[in-house]
Amino acid sequence: DQQVKQNSPSLSVQEGRISILNCDYTNSMFDYFLWYKKYPAEGPTFLISISSIKDKNEDGRFTVFLNKSAKHLSLHIVPSQPGDSAVYFCAASHIQGAQKLVFGQGTRLTINP
Amino acid sequence: DAGITQSPRHKVTETGTPVTLRCHQTENHRYMYWYRQDPGHGLRLIHYSYGVKDTDKGEVSDGYSVSRSKTEDFLLTLESATSSQTSVYFCAISEIEGPTNEKLFFGSGTQLSVL
Repeated sequence: DQQVKQNSPSLSVQEGRISILNCDYTNSMFDYFLWYKKYPAEGPTFLISISSIKDKNEDGRFTVFLNKSAKHLSLHIVPSQPGDSAVYFCAASHIQGAQKLVFGQGTRLTINP
Repeated sequence: DAGITQSPRHKVTETGTPVTLRCHQTENHRYMYWYRQDPGHGLRLIHYSYGVKDTDKGEVSDGYSVSRSKTEDFLLTLESATSSQTSVYFCAISEIEGPTNEKLFFGSGTQLSVL
């Protein structure tokens, strides 16, 4: 049973436009969420995170939005650049339960020039 | 980049043979993890370690064992490899456990093919 779901396996966006990657979760105990980025032949690298006490966190071109009532989070990349082409993984954890990170299936983002 | 080395980077083996993957870190981090990445499943935790000789199971631990005799090395063993264990395996390390899991650093991965 997939507790963290990324329902779009792939996404294609024009350079300079906004990229929106979505993630849904089913476990209401999750209270910390992260996005990782992965290039081919490399390991995932941390991108941005958000705690459940917030509904938005911004870091440069990257913004993560959290909608707790809908159990949904999204990653916005503005403006999108060719170097953003990668696989993006959403992950969640439960702080108090010391639960290990649970990852989504990943979304492959392609930025077209 | 975090000092994490996985070996081998690629391996092809036959069903029923034992396989050991090695993760070596130079960061002296306490926590080490083994994940596998499969299409449609993302990254799934196999085993993790919270110190020398202290290990625990993750969500997909069946068919795998681990050992950590030194802080810097974390070994993943497939006692008798099966085709379902064909995957990309990632080692990860972290300095602390809990809410700041963004401190999770990954190695470059090992592509394992079981024929």
